[in-house]
Formats: sequence, C-alpha cells, structure tokens
Amino acid sequence: GDSVTQMEGPVTLSEEAFLTINCTYTATGYPSLFWYVQYPGEGLQLLLKATKADDKGSNKGFEATYRKETTSFHLEKGSVQVSDSAVYFCALKRGSQGNLIFGKGTKLSVKP
Amino acid sequence: DAGITQSPRHKVTETGTPVTLRCHQTENHRYMYWYRQDPGHGLRLIHYSYGVKDTDKGEVSDGYSVSRSKTEDFLLTLESATSSQTSVYFCAISELLAAQGGANVLTFGAGSRLTVL
Repeated sequence: GDSVTQMEGPVTLSEEAFLTINCTYTATGYPSLFWYVQYPGEGLQLLLKATKADDKGSNKGFEATYRKETTSFHLEKGSVQVSDSAVYFCALKRGSQGNLIFGKGTKLSVKP
Repeated sequence: DAGITQSPRHKVTETGTPVTLRCHQTENHRYMYWYRQDPGHGLRLIHYSYGVKDTDKGEVSDGYSVSRSKTEDFLLTLESATSSQTSVYFCAISELLAAQGGANVLTFGAGSRLTVL
C-alpha cells in the first residue's frame, strides 16, 4: 500500500543554518505531495504542496520539489529561524478527495 | 478559514466508559475526517465521511464508530474506551483553496486530547 517515509528526528540546528528533511514515498499512480507543520500545542497547518512531477512547492522560505524518478519530496530552507521549531510531516494523497497518508513526523529544534 | 471546532479539547476518562468527540464545521464541506496522532506513528486515519450518513473506515477504525447526521457535524465515538485509545484526535475537512492553485487540501482542527486511565 501507499506509504511515506521521512527522516527520523529530532533535528537540532543553529539559527541561520540550512535545513533538509528527507521524505520518500511509495504509491501507485501520481499522488499529490504535501508538507504540514505542527507548532507546539497546535493542529497541523499546510506548509506547501506539489501535485505533479517536477512541481516545486514553496512557502515561508521552505521549498520542496516533487521528484518522481527518486520518489522524493525533500523539504529545504536556506536559513532557519527559532520560530521554525516545530514538527514537520510529509504526506501524500491520491485523487482529489483522497485522505492523507502521513509520515511519522520530524521534530525540528532551532537554537539561537 | 474553514471554521473547524473540536470539542472537548481535553478529556480524561476511565477505561470502559463511552466517549464522544465532536467536530463542527461552518462551511458545508462534504468530506470530513478523523485522525489520531501518536508518537512514532504520525497521524493515522480512523474514519472519514463523504456526506450526510455516508462514512467509511480508515486505517485504525477498530474500537471507533462515527456518525454524520448533519453536514456540519462529524462525531467520533469510543463505545468503551481503552488505554490504547489515549491519543490526540484531529478532525479535518477537505477544502478547495484558491491560494493553493485551486487544489483540494485537508485543513485540520486544533485537536482533542483524550486520556483514558
């Protein structure tokens, strides 16, 4: 069945460091791919998405490119801030109304 | 703003008691979902609904039932709570977001933290 694998955390970085959180997926067909972020004590918020191969999703300085050849959707940010400390979830969805299948989440802590 | 309200936000109960969590939305979205979030598991789908009285099981539906008698409300019931159902429960709706290129995306409520003693 469909699945999402993302790198184990926690990830601890200094402010202004470069961030990469790896995400790979297994799915039939052509799923849409998402990154969600969960700040402490809150629900999940959509960070960015991509719906087809080679699409790049971007938001708030974060980027991820849908790579069908490597079945990956890695999240990157060039310079992280303390306010980026959160748990990040990679997810896929098949079909326009399909449910989301999530990775296990990666906790990011950014130190000043 | 999808206007999703979950209640209660926090609940402590005892093993064997029934529990109902409510998800209320204000914008007539057709699709609604219940997920549970547990450390090391991410979020897993419990049940979902694609319309009034139309529901289906998700990945971890055992021990849970749902009902949707009105478009705006999606109820999750634990008939006899167990300690393994201690979790944070999230409701979600599927909505079309113009800011996301007109794609359907899931928008989540703030969560309901349930502790079963």
